[in-house]
Amino acid sequence: GDQVEQSPSALSLHEGTGSALRCNFTTTMRAVQWFRKNSRGSLINLFYLASGTKENGRLKSAFDSKERYSTLHIRDAQLEDSGTYFCAADRTGGYKVVFGSGTRLLVSP
Amino acid sequence: NAGVIQTPRHKVTGKGQEATLWCEPISGHSAVFWYRQTIVQGLEFLTYFRNQAPIDDSGMPKERFSAQMPNQSHSTLKIQSTQPQDSAVYLCASSLETGGYEQYFGPGTRLTVL
Repeated sequence: GDQVEQSPSALSLHEGTGSALRCNFTTTMRAVQWFRKNSRGSLINLFYLASGTKENGRLKSAFDSKERYSTLHIRDAQLEDSGTYFCAADRTGGYKVVFGSGTRLLVSP
Repeated sequence: NAGVIQTPRHKVTGKGQEATLWCEPISGHSAVFWYRQTIVQGLEFLTYFRNQAPIDDSGMPKERFSAQMPNQSHSTLKIQSTQPQDSAVYLCASSLETGGYEQYFGPGTRLTVL
């Protein structure tokens, strides 16, 4: 079946630094979403991309359907960025999103 | 905008009892999705409504599970004769369906079947 491979599974950053999360897809995906799970367990929408890149504050995401991957870049990490990040993608013409396994981010002082 | 609302947040049932989970989509969203999340299986698609009509229930277990959307403001997922293996977090999502299926998820209902 469709698979989304998300890496890394865990990431530790010091405040002010940055890094990237990545999702690789085993098939062509039509669009990708990135979420952050908040302290109450709700999924907060970060990005929805059908192609290209989007930026919002210290977050930037890219999606390449042909190369079958998406990335989420975090710069100048802050303590409140800690949490679990998920990518989710749906196949071309489809709507059933498939989630990555998540990246647990811990930002420390 | 309160986002997608799901109630209850937690539900504990005894084996064989019925469980009904509620979802209120974001106002104006025409699509509603139900998913089940477990540690073992991850997130599994269950069913999808568009403008209250069932479109795809291919992920629903054929027995004991049913979903309805009687009006545009709420959907229910009913599990009859619950079994311990039904224990999971059930997530509801809604989408505008214009220009793509960006889905907004509710906080989920954690169902525990004893």
